[in-house]
Amino acid sequence: ELKVEQNPLFLSMQEGKNYTIYCNYSTTSDRLYWYRQDPGKSLESLFVLLSNGAVKQEGRLMASLDTKARLSTLHITAAVHDLSATYFCAVDKTGTASKLTFGTGTRLQVTL
Amino acid sequence: DGGITQSPKYLFRKEGQNVTLSCEQNLNHDAMYWYRQDPGQGLRLIYYSQIVNDFQKGDIAEGYSVSREKKESFPLTVTSAQKNPTAFYLCASSPGTARYSVLFGSGTQLSVL
Repeated sequence: ELKVEQNPLFLSMQEGKNYTIYCNYSTTSDRLYWYRQDPGKSLESLFVLLSNGAVKQEGRLMASLDTKARLSTLHITAAVHDLSATYFCAVDKTGTASKLTFGTGTRLQVTL
Repeated sequence: DGGITQSPKYLFRKEGQNVTLSCEQNLNHDAMYWYRQDPGQGLRLIYYSQIVNDFQKGDIAEGYSVSREKKESFPLTVTSAQKNPTAFYLCASSPGTARYSVLFGSGTQLSVL
């Protein structure tokens, strides 16, 4: 059974600071997705990582994938309040994104 | 604009009642999905469909049923057999290849009266 673990589960950080969210998964896969969710809202797609060593960046967020270590990271650079949300990673074993297994999420709170 | 429309936004279920959540997409996506989200938790897959008139159970299908009679529609029925239905339900769709993200609708909050 595929298990996806994120840590930390909750992260409070000051504006301007850097931090990394980790996503570990238990079985081989080279397809991983990151999503953002604001309270009471739907999920917004952030990144699609499809191969070992993949790195994607958008604004203050950068995601990477190490399939050998079964690890993805979401790095936050110089955090701003607008980044406050819950971040989920999801792993696909099927090759068609038909069965995503989600992590439990990391709730990020950026304080002034 | 293309997107995924879920309705209603809020739904209340009485004891012993079946309720149906609507999901429509105009993205011409082949695959559609239903996920359940409980407070403070990740999403769990209920059912998915990769083609019209075909669907498969996900990880927590018991107490739920679906149909896929049209490419753009994938309604979810929460039956009376689902004893703990209170949750946030998210419908999603994708072209069916891993290159593209699964896109999500705005969700339906189901509560028990």
